[in-house]
Amino acid sequence: KNEVEQSPQNLTAQEGEFITINCSYSVGISALHWLQQHPGGGIVSLFMLSSGKKKHGRLIATINIQEKHSSLHITASHPRDSAVYICAVGIQGAQKLVFGQGTRLTINP
Amino acid sequence: NAGVTQTPKFRVLKTGQSMTLLCAQDMNHEYMYWYRQDPGMGLRLIHYSVGEGTTAKGEVPDGYNVSRLKKQNFLLGLESAAPSQTSVYFCASSYGSRGRNQPQHFGDGTRLSIL
Repeated sequence: KNEVEQSPQNLTAQEGEFITINCSYSVGISALHWLQQHPGGGIVSLFMLSSGKKKHGRLIATINIQEKHSSLHITASHPRDSAVYICAVGIQGAQKLVFGQGTRLTINP
Repeated sequence: NAGVTQTPKFRVLKTGQSMTLLCAQDMNHEYMYWYRQDPGMGLRLIHYSVGEGTTAKGEVPDGYNVSRLKKQNFLLGLESAAPSQTSVYFCASSYGSRGRNQPQHFGDGTRLSIL
């Protein structure tokens, strides 16, 4: 079993829909990261959080440490949000990240 | 600022050839990482460095060597390329903070094909 599991693996939605991507992990972590990888390949860090909730524009990330679960939400989705969203966890006491397989999101106009 | 720059962006090698991938960062980051990304799998850590002159193995180090002679540069070497090393390679860097996680900054990737 992977230490970091994301669901769904693929998600297609219409412009304007509310999007939720889930991430569950099975190890002790110091922080959880959400990253975005566009079709061109570049990877950008969206959020790093260790508790509660963070918001940036239309993106919201939440984490429940007790349940070992995080969600990434996108409100009022737009075709430019189409990308692969990657969850990664920072292992306690280390600088290493363990990555999920990613969720491929496609937003149709 | 350029951020994290990887060289080259694309390369095709024949089995048994050697090459070096260069990663350069201009953010004065202590920590640097090399990952590989393969279809259907998450990014996997090959090697990493927590400072100039130091390197450490990650999850999948076999067949690769690294060097961090200067703080801003992290080199990944393939001594004898194999088809299984066909992948997209990403370099990343971050501030070091006594083991606490920091956001990682990624390069644009190097697409490497081994024939």
